[in-house]
Amino acid sequence: GEDVEQSLFLSVREGDSSVINCTYTDSSSTYLYWYKQEPGAGLQLLTYIFSNMDMKQDQRLTVLLNKKDKHLSLRIADTQTGDSAIYFCAPVGGNMLTFGGGTRLMVKP
Amino acid sequence: ETGVTQSPTHLIKTRGQQVTLRCSSQSGHNTVSWYQQALGQGPQFIFQYYREEENGRGNFPPRFSGLQFPNYSSELNVNALELDDSALYLCASSLGSFPFEQYFGPGTRLTVT
Repeated sequence: GEDVEQSLFLSVREGDSSVINCTYTDSSSTYLYWYKQEPGAGLQLLTYIFSNMDMKQDQRLTVLLNKKDKHLSLRIADTQTGDSAIYFCAPVGGNMLTFGGGTRLMVKP
Repeated sequence: ETGVTQSPTHLIKTRGQQVTLRCSSQSGHNTVSWYQQALGQGPQFIFQYYREEENGRGNFPPRFSGLQFPNYSSELNVNALELDDSALYLCASSLGSFPFEQYFGPGTRLTVT
């Protein structure tokens, strides 16, 4: 099955850019999603990228996809304290999402 | 707010008991997927229901079962509860069996003692 790996933790200062990385193993993944989870809450869909794209920009969010290396990243510009949360990448395999372990983003004022 | 609701919010059960969790999907969505999220981990896919039929299953034993009703709401049933079943159970609704834009509910926190 699909394996999805993310670094555990990222700390940035307010106003800086954050880059959260993800690697996956299933090259047939057609859609790759990013979700955000705040403490005690469900998952919020942030954005996604289709596998035939290299980049997608959505306001402060930029998704980069390197299919050759099976590497996905999420860049958050002008990071705010409200962006502090756990971020999950989730490639689609078959009809299901496979989630990474999540990256905890801490934003310092 | 996604429009996906789950009940109950929290639940405490004893090992060996059975539990039923409920999910109401977002209006217009005909597909519900269930996930188990253990503490400190990412969600793991349990199964998906599309138009009242099971449409894919993850690596979970048969004591995890489900139903989807004509109004597309869904239940997750777990029999013979084990301590490792303690987790946050999330349901997600979407339009169509392919997981375009799954919208998640807030989850049910199950504790098995």
